[in-house]
Amino acid sequence: EVQLVESGGGLVKPGGSLRLSCAASGFTFSSYSMNWVRQAPGKGLEWVSSISSSSSYIYYADSVKGRFTISRDNAKNSLYLQMNSLRAEDTAVYYCARDSLGITALDIWGQGTMVTVSS
Amino acid sequence: QSVLTQPPSVSGAPGQRVTISCTGSSSNIGAGYDVHWYQQLPGTAPKLLIYGNSNRPSGVPDRFSGSKSGTSASLAITGLQAEDEADYYCQSYDSSLSGSYYVFGTGTKVTVL
Repeated sequence: EVQLVESGGGLVKPGGSLRLSCAASGFTFSSYSMNWVRQAPGKGLEWVSSISSSSSYIYYADSVKGRFTISRDNAKNSLYLQMNSLRAEDTAVYYCARDSLGITALDIWGQGTMVTVSS
Repeated sequence: QSVLTQPPSVSGAPGQRVTISCTGSSSNIGAGYDVHWYQQLPGTAPKLLIYGNSNRPSGVPDRFSGSKSGTSASLAITGLQAEDEADYYCQSYDSSLSGSYYVFGTGTKVTVL
């Protein structure tokens, strides 16, 4: 079964750091670009970051540029998001999502992990 | 930073047809980038509903259909059912001087009366 499972969310103080992980299974992880998408409580979806299959291309939303770092380990079938200098507005459910091959759609999503930034 | 605009809500009785619009601009939908649609049931992750403007992934009922024209796209649900009550998001790609990235619509809540 094709599956993405996020972990690492939790409560952190403003200015703190957190590292999210996404474990992939059921498909050839190293062949796909991957993404992080977040959803603040009661709000819509916001794309956060993308990484190509070999990590050659990395992109960030302006709202997280310079604070978040996306990475992957194809040997471990895992995607990561290092989040530093966290702000209250970063509070959201963070989803990892797979790029569909050849098109700009996100065809597989994890269940999400909640990140709460509060003092 | 949603750059695609959707109506906040639409509603319809069971069996009716509802449509959801997604309005973009010349840097995203109007630039020729595909539009995709996602369904998010309460408390769950989004699910890909329509890809490439009008294609349904395996398992998606054919009462869901998508179209695109100019700087806009639409999702239609015919024969509305109670289980269709959810939030729906359009998504495309945006390329401008500030960079290129995925963009989502503002989201539409569908209520089955």
